Amino acid sequence: DGGITQSPKYLFRKEGQNVTLSCEQNLNHDAMYWYRQDPGQGLRLIYYSQIVNDFQKGDIAEGYSVSREKKESFPLTVTSAQKNPTAFYLCASRTTGTSSYEQYFGPGTRLTVT
Amino acid sequence: GQNIDQPTEMTATEGAIVQINCTYQTSGFNGLFWYQQHAGEAPTFLSYNVLDGLEEKGRFSSFLSRSKGYSYLLLKELQMKDSASYLCACRLLYSGAGSYQLTFGKGTKLSVIP
Repeated sequence: DGGITQSPKYLFRKEGQNVTLSCEQNLNHDAMYWYRQDPGQGLRLIYYSQIVNDFQKGDIAEGYSVSREKKESFPLTVTSAQKNPTAFYLCASRTTGTSSYEQYFGPGTRLTVT
Repeated sequence: GQNIDQPTEMTATEGAIVQINCTYQTSGFNGLFWYQQHAGEAPTFLSYNVLDGLEEKGRFSSFLSRSKGYSYLLLKELQMKDSASYLCACRLLYSGAGSYQLTFGKGTKLSVIP
């Protein structure tokens, strides 16, 4: 089955600790995205990557970092510099063929920092 | 800046028809998506409009007017399982073919009642 996996589904951390959220896809998609969703808010773009070894900041990149060493993997690190890290994090991917624009989403990771 | 507006909540009766509106003011607009998101789950693709007009897909239809910055999602023969949030997202073209971002509205929470 092709798809996007995010693990774990729920993650708990103490304030001041860095934490890495995983995102893996076997859809052979070139582009990958990280979004954050807060209650009553839409999805906000954190980082995105169009190809391996390249990534761009989204609208709310401060306090986050990413890497894209492999096509299928796009991990997100939430650093201690992120002031309000508790949120629902969604990873997405899409092919960069010009005929397809749909982003496919993973199941999400709910991060709680106390 | 980018601005996308949707009603926060709507309630409709099982078997009825409901229309969810989305208005947008964005630069680089190149199409509009509708996604469905059940609570705590990933968004799933419903429709994509790039040209003006109505796209029908089973019980769901989506309309776009680029000149008015307006779209709506029409759900017919409502079922209890349609209770979910509906996200409007604008595709914004930046540079290079296939290089784009999605900017999301805050979502409309639809409750279907018996």
